[in-house]
Amino acid sequence: AQTVTQSQPEMSVQEAETVTLSCTYDTSESDYYLFWYKQPPSRQMILVIRQEAYKQQNATENRFSVNFQKAAKSFSLKISDSQLGDAAMYFCAYRGSGGSNYKLTFGKGTLLTVNP
Amino acid sequence: DTEVTQTPKHLVMGMTNKKSLKCEQHMGHRAMYWYKQKAKKPPELMFVYSYEKLSINESVPSRFSPECPNSSLLNLHLHALQPEDSALYLCASSQGQSPYGYTFGSGTRLTVV
Repeated sequence: AQTVTQSQPEMSVQEAETVTLSCTYDTSESDYYLFWYKQPPSRQMILVIRQEAYKQQNATENRFSVNFQKAAKSFSLKISDSQLGDAAMYFCAYRGSGGSNYKLTFGKGTLLTVNP
Repeated sequence: DTEVTQTPKHLVMGMTNKKSLKCEQHMGHRAMYWYKQKAKKPPELMFVYSYEKLSINESVPSRFSPECPNSSLLNLHLHALQPEDSALYLCASSQGQSPYGYTFGSGTRLTVV
């Protein structure tokens, strides 16, 4: 079974600074998808960024970028120029491409605080 | 329309009540999901519907009964719940086997008294 590990239960960053959230995963599949979701106090899970495992190029979305290391099974999220609105719980998630590809497996989450 | 709409946003029910949660999407997504989320925990998968058929049931107690009347609508019928079932219930949808992840609704906060 696939597992996703987020080793940082909580992180904090100063406004306008950069922060990196860690995520590692375990899988025997060669093709899969990785995601970072943000869940602010409003409760809605919002997709921040995604990465296809077959792509070597790291995904970027504006201030958000990932460092995808397939061999190390690592998928960290970098938030640049942090803003107060970035404060939220961040979940790393894995989705296979095989028969069980409907299921998202989540890490336990990292609570990000942004200090003004 | 790029949203998943869940109603109600909040629900308080007694242990003998019967209630239903509703989820609706008009994005043409053919897979829909129910997740349960406890405070400060990740979402836990309950059910997956693919093309209006139940494809995954994660050993959920029978007091939770899902229903998918059509491709846009997903219900979760609740009966004889326990206080430990109090949680945030999230609905999501996806384009089937698409790599684009899920679109989540904002959830129903359920309290069982």
